[in-house]
Amino acid sequence: QSVLTQPPSVSGTPGQRVTISCSGSTSNIGSNTVNWYKQLPGTAPKLFIYSNDERPSGVPDHFSGSKSGTSASLAISGLQSEDEADYYCAAWDDSLNGYVFGTGTKVTVL
Amino acid sequence: QVQLVESGGGVVQPGRSLRLSCAASGLTFSNYGMHWVRQAPGKGLEWVAVISYDGSYKYYTDSVKGRFTISRDNSKNTLYMQMNSLRVDDTAVYYCAKAQVVQMVRKGPDYWGQGTLVTVSS
Repeated sequence: QSVLTQPPSVSGTPGQRVTISCSGSTSNIGSNTVNWYKQLPGTAPKLFIYSNDERPSGVPDHFSGSKSGTSASLAISGLQSEDEADYYCAAWDDSLNGYVFGTGTKVTVL
Repeated sequence: QVQLVESGGGVVQPGRSLRLSCAASGLTFSNYGMHWVRQAPGKGLEWVAVISYDGSYKYYTDSVKGRFTISRDNSKNTLYMQMNSLRVDDTAVYYCAKAQVVQMVRKGPDYWGQGTLVTVSS
């Protein structure tokens, strides 16, 4: 059972801005940095945001991450068809001594 | 570039064992911790285990403690997962993934392999 909670799905039209929330606790998001992963069907996840708000090279700049307290968010501004995928937040959990993933959010471009 | 290639998956009966391998290239393997993450069919990602860069510490998710053992051979650039007493709910694609930061596992993984499917069924 995931300890990080995300909405099951978000959707928007091309060009719209959407955000994905990730709710945790003091032992995970409250104490450690957050990563976000993008996963296309049938493929391995790819690191999309690291250390709360950093983008690896090659990740489009219309993606941005943020963290406040025990929650984090991934924003997609200027939604594009290729942004359709599943997105997972993740962080280390000091109480569990393990890495925890969010429940995952499916982004749909209408 | 970093390449991680898993192998060893297959179909196995409940209660039996399986060993997964992950061959790494394009990195100084001995500098990085390594994770195993799994994904049951149609489900989300579940972290399974991590091993430090030198094998000195290992952590597991509760559901596999006492049944799974993560290990590594830095001379062969290979990560392993020995899975014993397999259960039906262990059925998943198993991914190996490299820790993002040298000698630190808390920052999570960056590069992932393509995964290997483990099916536990009678």
